[in-house]
Order: sequence, then C-alpha cells, then structure tokens
Amino acid sequence: KQEVTQIPAALSVPEGENLVLNCSFTDSAIYNLQWFRQDPGKGLTSLLLIQSSQREQTSGRLNASLDKSSGRSTLYIAASQPGDSATYLCAVRSRRGADGLTFGKGTHLIIQP
Amino acid sequence: EPEVTQTPSHQVTQMGQEVILRCVPISNHLYFYWYRQILGQKVEFLVSFYNNEISEKSEIFDDQFSVERPDGSNFTLKIRSTKLEDSAMYFCASSDEDREGNTEAFFGQGTRLTVV
Repeated sequence: KQEVTQIPAALSVPEGENLVLNCSFTDSAIYNLQWFRQDPGKGLTSLLLIQSSQREQTSGRLNASLDKSSGRSTLYIAASQPGDSATYLCAVRSRRGADGLTFGKGTHLIIQP
Repeated sequence: EPEVTQTPSHQVTQMGQEVILRCVPISNHLYFYWYRQILGQKVEFLVSFYNNEISEKSEIFDDQFSVERPDGSNFTLKIRSTKLEDSAMYFCASSDEDREGNTEAFFGQGTRLTVV
C-alpha cells in the first residue's frame, strides 16, 4: 500500500528566504505526482504536476523535482512571500486513468513578514 | 478559468439522516472523484467514476455511500444514515488526460459536513 510522507510537518521562515519542502513515497511505481496548496478551510489548488518520466517542473517561483527511483520529490519555493503561507500537499497517482491520489499530510508553511 | 464547483459549502445534518453532496466537474473532463478530509488528517480517496460507472473505490467507500451522475453536468455523493464520524470536508475533483497521458486533478472548494 502506497504511503506518502512529508517533512517537515511545519515550517516558519522570514520573508525572502528560499525553502525546500520534502515528500517521500514508499512505492516508486508511480504514474505521476502532484503538488497542491491548501489555504485554511479551503479547497486544494494544483501547483505542479510531474509525470513519472519527468525530472522537474517549474511554475514561476516554484520548482518541483522528482526522483522516482528513490521515492522522493521536493518543492522549492524561491524568494518566499507572506502570501505563500498555506499548507502544501504532495500526492501520487499509481496508474493512469481514474486511479485516485494518495496524499501526504502536508507541510504547514508560515512566511513571516 | 474552468473550475469544479461544489454545493453546499457547509451542511449540518442529524445522525441517521441521508445527505447528498453535489458537484459540477469541469465540463470536458472524463474522470470524477470524491475525497474526504477529517479535521487535522490527510486527504483520503473515496471513489472514482468514469464512463458512468465506479472505476475504483477505497475501503472507506462502503455500502453507506453511493455516487451518481444524474445528468450531463452534476456528480453527486450520497451518504445514507450518517454517523458522527462522517463529519469531514468532502472534496470533489475531476481530471482529463491529454495526448501525453498527463492527468492533472482539479479540486472543488469542498463541502464541510457536520453530523450532530
């Protein structure tokens, strides 16, 4: 059974810092991996999707990498801003099609002004 | 930009009552999902739906739950005889698959279900 772990569980840093959020998964046979952002009491906003054949994806100040063989992904946030404060979730899909996502518990990020 | 919409945003129901949570997926998507998130816990997969039938379901999705696509736009989750432990945020999601096989899931804002 796939398990997804995210480290750290919480992180508080001053504005402007670059930071790295970590995600690991136990079964490396994944189809793709998705990073989400969740604001308190709100839905999930998709940030980046990485297919299993890809090594990284970039969107603005966000960069996600994937090392499928070691079961790891990282989300890099450059020049953090207070508006980046949220919970960041990592989720993996094992097969194409209608397969559901397996989520980690998330990293709760606070960016101090 | 197309989005997944869910109604209601918050529902309070008495234990033992039936509830129906509603979702309008993104119009050209083919795969539909329900997830739940109990307060302070992980987002958990419940069920996926494709081609007018359940494609996959988790252990959580027992006989108490059912899904339906009653028309061309709505996707519903019914919970029969709700229990206190059904209190959670329920998320609907939809996805499509592009030519490269990329499947990106888009989530609604959720329905907070409170069973009293």
